[in-house]
Amino acid sequence: EIVMTQSPAILSVSPGERVTLSCRASQSVNNDLAWYQQKPGQAPRLLIYGASTRATGIPARFSGSGSGTEFTLTISSLQSEDFAVYFCQQYNDWPPKTFGQGTKVEIK
Amino acid sequence: QLQLQESGPGLVKSSETLSLTCTVSGDSISSSGYYWGWIRQPPGKGLEWIGSFYYGGNTYYNPSLKSRVTISVDTSKNQFSLELNSVTAADTAVYYCARGSGYDANWGQGSLVTVSS
Repeated sequence: EIVMTQSPAILSVSPGERVTLSCRASQSVNNDLAWYQQKPGQAPRLLIYGASTRATGIPARFSGSGSGTEFTLTISSLQSEDFAVYFCQQYNDWPPKTFGQGTKVEIK
Repeated sequence: QLQLQESGPGLVKSSETLSLTCTVSGDSISSSGYYWGWIRQPPGKGLEWIGSFYYGGNTYYNPSLKSRVTISVDTSKNQFSLELNSVTAADTAVYYCARGSGYDANWGQGSLVTVSS
């Protein structure tokens, strides 16, 4: 099973700041990496797939990069609606598909 | 417009079987070419993939749950279902159904299932 590790667990930021979230895989997943955003009481929403492709309707301030074992989600200028928990997921080698434990982006 | 809606009992007794159904509208399970599956999230915790299927192909399960899980399909109702037997308190979670292509692009709103002793 591929283990996904996200860092940091919690990120305290101010609106307008640039935010960088990290996700590491225990072995290469090529580019088969997705990012999700989850707000309280809601289902996760797909942001990025293929490590860097934005899903339909996702604002351009969200970008993904990386390949192999190291990945990054960047929010170029954090908006109030972006405070949420972010999860990464690998779908290269499954079953099982595996998720990181999440990074909570909170208001500083 | 694609919609996925989970339904089923919100409370299940320990050692019994958890059963949920996902009703799909706006797409056909049997002809869409996507994977369909289940993911769960214990309260305040992370996401755990349970299993997925490709209609006409294989069904894949998380090895950690494989001995207790069954995913089935009813194409006449455009629904798919989850059964998890011998549940314990550790199975208390929000259960989501989803559609995707490896990644999970579309999710239902989720259904909270509590396992009681």
